Amino acid sequence: EDKVVQSPLSLVVHEGDTVTLNCSYEVTNFRSLLWYKQEKKAPTFLFMLTSSGIEKKSGRLSSILDKKELFSILNITATQTGDSAVYLCAPTGNQFYFGTGTSLTVIP
Amino acid sequence: DTAVSQTPKYLVTQMGNDKSIKCEQNLGHDTMYWYKQDSKKFLKIMFSYNNKELIINETVPNRFSPKSPDKAHLNLHINSLELGDSAVYFCASSQTIHGELFFGEGSRLTVL
Repeated sequence: EDKVVQSPLSLVVHEGDTVTLNCSYEVTNFRSLLWYKQEKKAPTFLFMLTSSGIEKKSGRLSSILDKKELFSILNITATQTGDSAVYLCAPTGNQFYFGTGTSLTVIP
Repeated sequence: DTAVSQTPKYLVTQMGNDKSIKCEQNLGHDTMYWYKQDSKKFLKIMFSYNNKELIINETVPNRFSPKSPDKAHLNLHINSLELGDSAVYFCASSQTIHGELFFGEGSRLTVL
């Protein structure tokens, strides 16, 4: 059965800290893995990963995929209060699967 | 211009009623989806349409019926609403079946 597990479920850090969010998956006919950030409303796209070992970066955020071990990580360096959100990973295979998300709270 | 728009944004109704949520995308995408997000924030796919054809139909009660009149629209009709239907319903679209999803702002349904 296909599944997506994100850890930790929630995280509280201080501004300036670095965080690592994990996503492990078992998905039939895996194609790609996407990361989304959800604040109050709709999820917004962060990254799409299709190849192992190639880091994608956008400002203080970066992500990498390991297709052999079936996981991805999302790193956020020098966290800010605006990073507070739920971060969702979504591996795609026969369909889109969303993890339960990691709720990140950044305290000033 | 909003890329994926849903109406209404909020819906409060009594058990047993029938309601519809409309979704339109102006991105020219081929694939559209309906997701349900419950109180625990878990996003679960309900339906997916590609070029107006149903391609994913997860295990949802048959009280939920999607309808895609054209590629740019995917509406969701719900019959005989139940308390457990209370959730935020997100419409989304993507250029291809495995491409980046663009979400609407969600429609919060509350069944009393």
